[in-house]
Amino acid sequence: DGGITQSPKYLFRKEGQNVTLSCEQNLNHDAMYWYRQDPGQGLRLIYYSQIVNDFQKGDIAEGYSVSREKKESFPLTVTSAQKNPTAFYLCASSSRGGFTDTQYFGPGTRLTVL
Amino acid sequence: AQSVTQLDSQVPVFEEAPVELRCNYSSSVSVYLFWYVQYPNQGLQLLLKYLSGSTLVKGINGFEAEFNKSQTSFHLRKPSVHISDTAEYFCAVIAGGTSYGKLTFGQGTILTVHP
Repeated sequence: DGGITQSPKYLFRKEGQNVTLSCEQNLNHDAMYWYRQDPGQGLRLIYYSQIVNDFQKGDIAEGYSVSREKKESFPLTVTSAQKNPTAFYLCASSSRGGFTDTQYFGPGTRLTVL
Repeated sequence: AQSVTQLDSQVPVFEEAPVELRCNYSSSVSVYLFWYVQYPNQGLQLLLKYLSGSTLVKGINGFEAEFNKSQTSFHLRKPSVHISDTAEYFCAVIAGGTSYGKLTFGQGTILTVHP
C-alpha cells in the first residue's frame, strides 16, 4: 500500500532544543517537499528536493535543515534558531518534481514548543 | 511571482445546498491550478486539477471547478453538499516555465456543512 508516512504525529519540544521530523515515502517518487502550515496562512514551502543528495531552500528555510541521503527519506530538523516553530508540518512527494506533477501529502506532524 | 487569494475564509452552508468556494490567482505566465481538501489533523488530498484542455474540471466527491482565464479565477463548486464535506479547502497554483513544481497556496476556506 503506497503512501507517505510522517512521524511522530505529535511532538513537544522545549525551547532551545533541536528536533527532527521523519518523512518516508514508498511511491518511488524523485521529488520531496516540506511545508509549514499555520492557521489562516495556507501552506508555505520550507525545503524541497528533486533528487537524492540535492535540496533547495523554499520560502521560509531559516531555522530549518534537511538531508536527502535516500530516495525514500527526507527528514526535517527544526533547530533552536527557528524563532516560532509551533506549527503543523506536512511532507509531500511527486514523481519528478515537474510543474504538472501532482504532489501527494503525508498526514502531518504537529510540533508544539513548550 | 504568482499568488493565490481565496476570497472567503469561512463558508457555512446547510446540507444538500449548493456551494461555491472562490479562488483568484495572479501570474504573468501560464498556470496550472489545483484544489486540495484537508480534514481535521490530516494531510491534504487532491480534489482536482487543471493542466490544459477543457476549462471545466471534474474531481472526486462530486466537486468541479471552472478555469476562467480572463477573470483569473478557479472557483470550486458542488451542487449538493453533505455533512462529510466539512473540511478546509485550499486552492493552489504552479506557474508554467518554472524549474520545479512549486505550489503556491491560498489561505484556505473552511467549509462547514450544517444539518
